[in-house]
Amino acid sequence: DGGITQSPKYLFRKEGQNVTLSCEQNLNHDAMYWYRQDPGQGLRLIYYSQIVNDFQKGDIAEGYSVSREKKESFPLTVTSAQKNPTAFYLCASSPGLVYTDTQYFGPGTRLTVL
Amino acid sequence: AQTVTQSQPEMSVQEAETVTLSCTYDTSESDYYLFWYKQPPSRQMILVIRQEAYKQQNATENRFSVNFQKAAKSFSLKISDSQLGDAAMYFCAYRSFGFGNEKLTFGTGTRLTIIP
Repeated sequence: DGGITQSPKYLFRKEGQNVTLSCEQNLNHDAMYWYRQDPGQGLRLIYYSQIVNDFQKGDIAEGYSVSREKKESFPLTVTSAQKNPTAFYLCASSPGLVYTDTQYFGPGTRLTVL
Repeated sequence: AQTVTQSQPEMSVQEAETVTLSCTYDTSESDYYLFWYKQPPSRQMILVIRQEAYKQQNATENRFSVNFQKAAKSFSLKISDSQLGDAAMYFCAYRSFGFGNEKLTFGTGTRLTIIP
């Protein structure tokens, strides 16, 4: 059963802590993305990766970091430098370098800072 | 930079009726993709329909169709025979054409309520 999984579904963080959100896909997609969604707004791109061991900053990368060591996995770390991290985080993937036009999304992770 | 505008924060429709959600965008590019995504209460984004700007024919997917007006930079979504399961937030999104232009630019969404 192919798809994108994100864990955990809910995550609570204390001030000053780093936390890592997991994103895994078994669709054999080359490209993966991280978006942030705030209330009343659309999604905004944090980071994306077109291929293993390579990634680029999106519009709101400050305070976040990523890695892409495996094709299937694209974890997002929310660092203590991110001043307002409470949001809904969505991971997405798209097929590949030749046909990258449609992105498919995971179920999301809700991060709350206590 | 491209922008996407959804001017209807909320819409409602009677079950089995037809509703149209509006979307306009601003771009100087000639080739691009447009999408409608649905976000139900589960919050997972689900692709509803996509349109390639170079295609003049409007895309359709079962009860969902678009009215793509390239010159007017308008991309509305029509839902026919509305069902209770259509209740969700609907987001319009834009993507530039070509490799290296992977970012999706989203509108702020329209919340659709289905009245039984």
